[in-house]
Parts: sequence; C-alpha cells; structure tokens
Amino acid sequence: QQPVQSPQAVILREGEDAVINCSSSKALYSVHWYRQKHGEAPVFLMILLKGGEQKGHEKISASFNEKKQQSSLYLTASQLSYSGTYFCGTAEANAGGTSYGKLTFGQGTILTVHP
Amino acid sequence: GAVVSQHPSWVICKSGTSVKIECRSLDFQATTMFWYRQFPKKSLMLMATSNEGSKATYEQGVEKDKFLINHASLTLSTLTVTSAHPEDSSFYICSAPPAGGRPWETQYFGPGTRLLVL
Repeated sequence: QQPVQSPQAVILREGEDAVINCSSSKALYSVHWYRQKHGEAPVFLMILLKGGEQKGHEKISASFNEKKQQSSLYLTASQLSYSGTYFCGTAEANAGGTSYGKLTFGQGTILTVHP
Repeated sequence: GAVVSQHPSWVICKSGTSVKIECRSLDFQATTMFWYRQFPKKSLMLMATSNEGSKATYEQGVEKDKFLINHASLTLSTLTVTSAHPEDSSFYICSAPPAGGRPWETQYFGPGTRLLVL
C-alpha cells in the first residue's frame, strides 16, 4: 500500500513557504524525498532515516516521526525552480531491523511557484 | 556523484515486438537494481528487483514472462518488454544502490526510458 501525500497540489508565490506531508501505514526504515520535473526522472532531495532526521539542502528540510510513520518536507522561501512534483518514497523495515531498499512512492504533490 | 544511465532514452515500436532497455551504473557496482514504471501524471510503481547472478524478484501483479529482467553484471541490468502492446507504453526508470552500501540510504536513479507502443 502506497504512502499518502498531502496536499495533492500547492500553488505559491516566490518567497512563500510550503509543507508536504507523507503518511504510511507500514513500519518504515527510511523516507526518501524526490522532486520530478515534467519529462524527467526524479531527483533525490532528502533522506530521513529511522532514528534521526537529515537536512539535505539549505532551504529544504524534512522531519520523520517514526512512531506515527509520517514525514514532512519543508520548503522555505520558495523559488521558481522549486516547481515540480514531489514524491516521498518509503522503505519498509524488515525483520532484521534494516531494509531491502525497495521504495514505495506516494501519489505525488504538484508544487507550482509563481513569480 | 554516482551516475546511472539508461538506454535508449526513447523508443517507439510496433505492437507485438520486444523492446530491451538497459540500465548501467557507470562509476560504481550494483548487485541490486530496481525497475519502476510511471504512467503519465501518476506515481512511480516498483515492478521488480534485479539481482546480479540470480533471478529477479517481481512485485505482485507484474508478469515475469512479460517483463524479462537480466542482471548480467555488477554494472548492467536489462528489462525486456516482450510482445509489447499499447498499454505497456510508459516511462521506465531504474535505480541502483551502490554495492556494499546501504540500499535504504542511497539510490541513484537513471534518466528513464520512454516507451511508446503503436
């Protein structure tokens, strides 16, 4: 079962902030965030590991609540280049306490930044 | 950074023909590669896990005889869409975690292959 992302779409003006949420019903080991531009492959943004959180970029950060199996991606002072579809990919925890690395992706959140 | 390439980037074929898509890790070895499919305006769906030296593991609902996967070396996995039909038209993307690494931490995506079956 794929994780659920919210909202489905966001429209911003440059400089505004946005939060994209990702919620899973499975026990997770890690959450990966990607941005995809039209016609291109996804680009890695951020990974959140079980037991911690990691900031990958200056104005883009994320959090991971293991107990709730939820992650949020924070985009601050948005730029035009932030436009695209954001996907969270979740890696389930296996019996050994790690993960095989298979990612299950959410349905995506379309972010549009206007001047 | 690590690079994953796919070939071809675009392919158009007639219904009933077979199409082979290659996924290569250019500067690292990958014992495992993942194949995803993405329909327009939809999410990425994992099709199968390609394992070097052994059989691929397919996700539920994916026909293994339809989508043949061969992981011939530590840097190459191929996906062959056999007897392609228009409903197989999609964007196929591979990803690879570096061998010896932790797959739940790092995966590198290829640029994708667009398949159009007429």
